[in-house]
Amino acid sequence: VLTQTPLSSPVTLGQPASISCRSSQSLVHSDGNTYLSWLQQRPGQPIRLLIYKISNRFSGVPDRFSGSGAGTDFTLKISRVEAEDVGVYYCVQATQFPRTFGQGTKVEIK
Amino acid sequence: QVQLQQWGAGLLKPSETLSLICAVYGGSFSDYYWSWFRQSPGKGLEWIGEINHRGGTNYNPSLKSRVTMSVDKSKNQFSLKLTSVTAADTAVYYCAREIIVARGAFDNWGQGTLVTVSS
Repeated sequence: VLTQTPLSSPVTLGQPASISCRSSQSLVHSDGNTYLSWLQQRPGQPIRLLIYKISNRFSGVPDRFSGSGAGTDFTLKISRVEAEDVGVYYCVQATQFPRTFGQGTKVEIK
Repeated sequence: QVQLQQWGAGLLKPSETLSLICAVYGGSFSDYYWSWFRQSPGKGLEWIGEINHRGGTNYNPSLKSRVTMSVDKSKNQFSLKLTSVTAADTAVYYCAREIIVARGAFDNWGQGTLVTVSS
């Protein structure tokens, strides 16, 4: 089970935001990798991959997005929130079957 | 640029079979896993299953008895069938591509198809 906190994050433009994703069991795969990703869902837009394998920023993703963590605890940080960052953020694990998601964190502007 | 375009019936009656197709435009078909997800109204995302270019599959145990995925390499398409649908299967269904060497890197998504189950 993946548990995200907070479920809602009102943020002032230009301020940082942080989302936690905690797993009920270790997400370290037998191959040594940890397959924890972060996705963004914005209204009217296709779902977008932000981060994969904990901290790898996907192509085209602004560097204000960063991922960190290990084992069971992971964090997505937005260094300076912009208006276009409004949306719902999901962590997803692909270490085990079935793939599972966190509940989602809604980022909105104060 | 890779594009995933999906389609299928949007309104079903209980007990009918949901059938969706996802066409892949651009990029290699064999270097990825191809997945289906769904999102019930106002809820989060649920993984339904995946298929590779050889037809190898993994399904969510919660849906496994009703799910079949298939691939048509000649058309660069993959499909989802879900039998005996009920109102609980009402959701937006998404297809997506996953990078084989970076599991969990679902890097391209379809636009989503709303499927409503109602008598």
